[in-house]
Amino acid sequence: GQQLNQSPQSMFIQEGEDVSMNCTSSSIFNTWLWYKQEPGEGPVLLIALYKAGELTSNGRLTAQFGITRKDSFLNISASIPSDVGIYFCAGLRGAGSYQLTFGKGTKLSVIP
Amino acid sequence: NAGVMQNPRHLVRRRGQEARLRCSPMKGHSHVYWYRQLPEEGLKFMVYLQKENIIDESGMPKERFSAEFPKEGPSILRIQQVVRGDSAAYFCASSPGPEAEQFFGPGTRLTVL
Repeated sequence: GQQLNQSPQSMFIQEGEDVSMNCTSSSIFNTWLWYKQEPGEGPVLLIALYKAGELTSNGRLTAQFGITRKDSFLNISASIPSDVGIYFCAGLRGAGSYQLTFGKGTKLSVIP
Repeated sequence: NAGVMQNPRHLVRRRGQEARLRCSPMKGHSHVYWYRQLPEEGLKFMVYLQKENIIDESGMPKERFSAEFPKEGPSILRIQQVVRGDSAAYFCASSPGPEAEQFFGPGTRLTVL
């Protein structure tokens, strides 16, 4: 089946640093979504992207939908301890699609 | 709290028993999706339901697994004769429409002894 490749798998950063993670696919997706999951909880939607080239922000988070529609990245600026968690990208293929395809996640640890 | 609700949050079963997982979608949402997450993995689609209808169950194992979303009450994911490999976190999501953003519940963590 389709896969989304997320990198890096994990990262350790100092509080205050900026973070960048990305997601690539061999197939085109028409919607990209970024979720955050904390231990013992379900994924929480952070940002949704609907158009190729779109750049969207949500507070300190910024995400972009790649022009080729085969990739997306998420940036977190000025990280804080509560940013800790696993960040998942997910894609929807196109009109009428509803099956989210998830990456394996990027585990973020923030050192105070 | 108008979010997606799932219960129980944790469920322990012995091999051969049945597991019933419940999901109440967000208010106003009539589309429900079930996903399974194994440790260190992303979520994998299992089944998509609208009220009283299964739309797509292509991600669900053909044996032992079933899902329903009755006219009244929560959606139920049922696993009969559980095996150790069924141990996972099961998440329900809901949306107001089939192509809309999906909002997830907190999950049910199933452990099969």
